[in-house]
Amino acid sequence: NAGVTQTPKFQVLKTGQSMTLQCAQDMNHNSMYWYRQDPGMGLRLIYYSASEGTTDKGEVPNGYNVSRLNKREFSLRLESAAPSQTSVYFCASRVNNLDTQYFGPGTRLTVL
Amino acid sequence: AQKITQTQPGMFVQEKEAVTLDCTYDTSDPSYGLFWYKQPSSGEMIFLIYQGSYDQQNATEGRYSLNFQKARKSANLVISASQLGDSAMYFCAMREGGDTDKLIFGTGTRLQVFP
Repeated sequence: NAGVTQTPKFQVLKTGQSMTLQCAQDMNHNSMYWYRQDPGMGLRLIYYSASEGTTDKGEVPNGYNVSRLNKREFSLRLESAAPSQTSVYFCASRVNNLDTQYFGPGTRLTVL
Repeated sequence: AQKITQTQPGMFVQEKEAVTLDCTYDTSDPSYGLFWYKQPSSGEMIFLIYQGSYDQQNATEGRYSLNFQKARKSANLVISASQLGDSAMYFCAMREGGDTDKLIFGTGTRLQVFP
């Protein structure tokens, strides 16, 4: 039982490049989330998926797309990376019928 | 307006002492949830404790307790018998109303435990 896993752990991109951040959970949770963490700002919700096949925007969705591939996997795509997207990205999943979200280890992304 | 406010950017505590990390929140929903997460220097977010707005008693989890004062809209985290391993960033978060899918985070408090 690995919990929530994320790949890659680190990534450096040039402005305009694209990439996909992968997230998977093996806890059979229905809901999954993507957050970004910037210095001094706590975590902010980018997108979430309440169930397989559904996705919704969070607080800061611009510049991102998501895919809920199946119940286990929820990916975040940057189509044309910008320096403002330099951040640490966290994936989380929520225990069914409870409030608590559990987080993956994070991906540190730098856009030059 | 800030929904979650953590007014202490940094706190120091001596090992084995207790420490309180402050969190105030703002919501008009009668149903909400409050959370505390720990983020050590390694970067992961670790869930510590949860308090529901209708819970009659303050939540406790081992050395962690949540001092929930509903009228004051505060949800302070109390860590008893601090350990060196408690040194980390601590984030307060809130879930509003029936929307269990959105957590709003505060800006965090950096706790440093010294020997």
